[in-house]
Amino acid sequence: EAGVAQSPRYKIIEKRQSVAFWCNPISGHATLYWYQQILGQGPKLLIQFQNNGVVDDSQLPKDRFSAERLKGVDSTLKIQPAKLEDSAVYLCASSFLAGVSETQYFGPGTRLLVL
Amino acid sequence: DAKTTQPNSMESNEEEPVHLPCNHSTISGTDYIHWYRQLPSQGPEYVIHGLTSNVNNRMASLAIAEDRKSSTLILHRATLRDAAVYYCILKGGGADGLTFGKGTHLIIQP
Repeated sequence: EAGVAQSPRYKIIEKRQSVAFWCNPISGHATLYWYQQILGQGPKLLIQFQNNGVVDDSQLPKDRFSAERLKGVDSTLKIQPAKLEDSAVYLCASSFLAGVSETQYFGPGTRLLVL
Repeated sequence: DAKTTQPNSMESNEEEPVHLPCNHSTISGTDYIHWYRQLPSQGPEYVIHGLTSNVNNRMASLAIAEDRKSSTLILHRATLRDAAVYYCILKGGGADGLTFGKGTHLIIQP
């Protein structure tokens, strides 16, 4: 079974530029998450999708971050304009529910450096 | 969200068992105890989860205290590939975002 795919793996941009990340979840997984992981910290949830609808975006900095999940499959996360503090690894995860038990599968992440 | 407390780091020797503790004194009756681990330069990986009873799978065992205020992840025979950051996370049933702490950095000595 193919895992969660993310691209690009690495990105270097200057502050105030824009950037977009792409995620392809595991086939059949209805739930998709984006997390931000700053160096030395655990991942932090940015947004959760159920199919193509947003379930939780309470921690998404909406003045500069946006995300969409067209047709309930692939998703893109965009930052515009980027700030120095956005340097982090952006992780995508997808999941399925077996009863009430959920297991999340993570992609390898996109490492962003803002100069 | 209910909080968990883990040691910052632990060290063990290869081929020996490892016991990783987690305290969660404010756990609610509906919270599951999940463990994920993150190998260097990779995304987190599911290890195991449980509610009240001890659980075993091919990767590890999870021992849950009777009052559920603490738990222990057990790696029965550590290898160098088990060197990672291990996160103990409380989560309700259903699809929900994970709240990660800083986890325990496990170092395995050859």
